[in-house]
Order: sequence, then structure tokens, then C-alpha cells
Amino acid sequence: TQLLEQSPQFLSIQEGENLTVYCNSSSVFSSLQWYRQEPGEGPVLLVTVVTGGEVKKLKRLTFQFGDARKDSSLHITAAQPGDTGLYLCAAGSSNTGKLIFGQGTTLQVKP
Amino acid sequence: DADVTQTPRNRITKTGKRIMLECSQTKGHDRMYWYRQDPGLGLRLIYYSFDVKDINKGEISDGYSVSRQAQAKFSLSLESAIPNQTALYFCATSDLPQGEQFFGPGTRLTVL
Repeated sequence: TQLLEQSPQFLSIQEGENLTVYCNSSSVFSSLQWYRQEPGEGPVLLVTVVTGGEVKKLKRLTFQFGDARKDSSLHITAAQPGDTGLYLCAAGSSNTGKLIFGQGTTLQVKP
Repeated sequence: DADVTQTPRNRITKTGKRIMLECSQTKGHDRMYWYRQDPGLGLRLIYYSFDVKDINKGEISDGYSVSRQAQAKFSLSLESAIPNQTALYFCATSDLPQGEQFFGPGTRLTVL
């Protein structure tokens, strides 16, 4: 069974701090996605990374796919209260056509 | 209007009752999914369908069944609800294998 492990599971920080969320697996994936979910809503895609070593930036968010395509990280610079939410990584498995989701990281940014 | 809609948004029911959760989409996607979300467990796949005549079990299909009535509609049923099926349920669609998934707003189900 392919698993995605996210860490930390919960993070509470002050506005302006930096943070990194990790998504790790022992399996190689063809692609990896990061979603953000706000209370009362479904997850919404932030980014997809497909190439080993790829780095993508979305304003204050930086996403990296590991060289071996087994892990990924999400770094937020100068976090703001609007960044509060549940962050989920999801990986594509080439032999199933489905996504596997990590257990999520709940981020709380206090003003 | 939302591209993926779910009804009802909230439901409280009793053990043993039959429950149906409905999902409709206007995105024209062939692929539809039902997930269950529990705190600390992320999203777990219950059933998925890659087209109208295709139904596949996910990792936690026991106690659930589905019906793909049309490209736009995918329903999830709990034949005899039990308390550990209390959770947040999401429907999602996609147009590509491993592509972006578009989620509905979720149904919060409580089984007493």
C-alpha cells in the first residue's frame, strides 16, 4: 500500500513567521499535488509538481518536489491569518489512475 | 453556480437507517469520486467511477454502495448506517488520470 506521510499534523504560529510542511513516502510518484481546504469547503488545488527537483512559487508559498519524486515540501514565508486551513498533499500513482492523499496539516496563523 | 454540488449539506440520522448522498457536476468530467474525511486521516477513497458504466471500490468501500446515474450524477448510499460512519463526505471530479480534482462542498453526516 502506498502511503503519504505529512508532518507536522498541526501547526500554530504567529503572523509573520515562516513554516515548512513535509510530505514523504517510500514510493515514487509521477506527480504530486498540494491542496488547501478551508472550514466548510472542499479542498482546492494550489499546485501540481511533476519533475524531480521542481520548484514552484505561488506568491509567498514555495513548493518543491524531491529529486527522487518520493517527497515534497511546502514553505510559507511570512504567514498571514488568511493562510489558516488544512493543507493536503496528494500523489498520483501511474498504475491506478487515482490520487492518494496524505493525512493533512492543520495550520493556524494567529494575528 | 458551483461546478460540483452535494446534497444534503448536513444530515443527522439513526443507526440502521438507509442514507443517500447525492453529487452533481456541471464540469463535463467523466471521472467522479467519493471520499470520506475524518480528523487526522486525510481523505480516504470510498468508490470511484471513470465513466457511466464503470464503478470501482476504493480503500474503504465496506458498508457503502454507489450509483452512477449519468455522467453528471454519482450517488453514495449507506444501506444501514452505523455510528462509525459519522464523517465529512466529499464528492470530486476530474478529467484526467491523476489530474486536478474538483471537490464539492461536502456533506456532514452524523449517525446516532
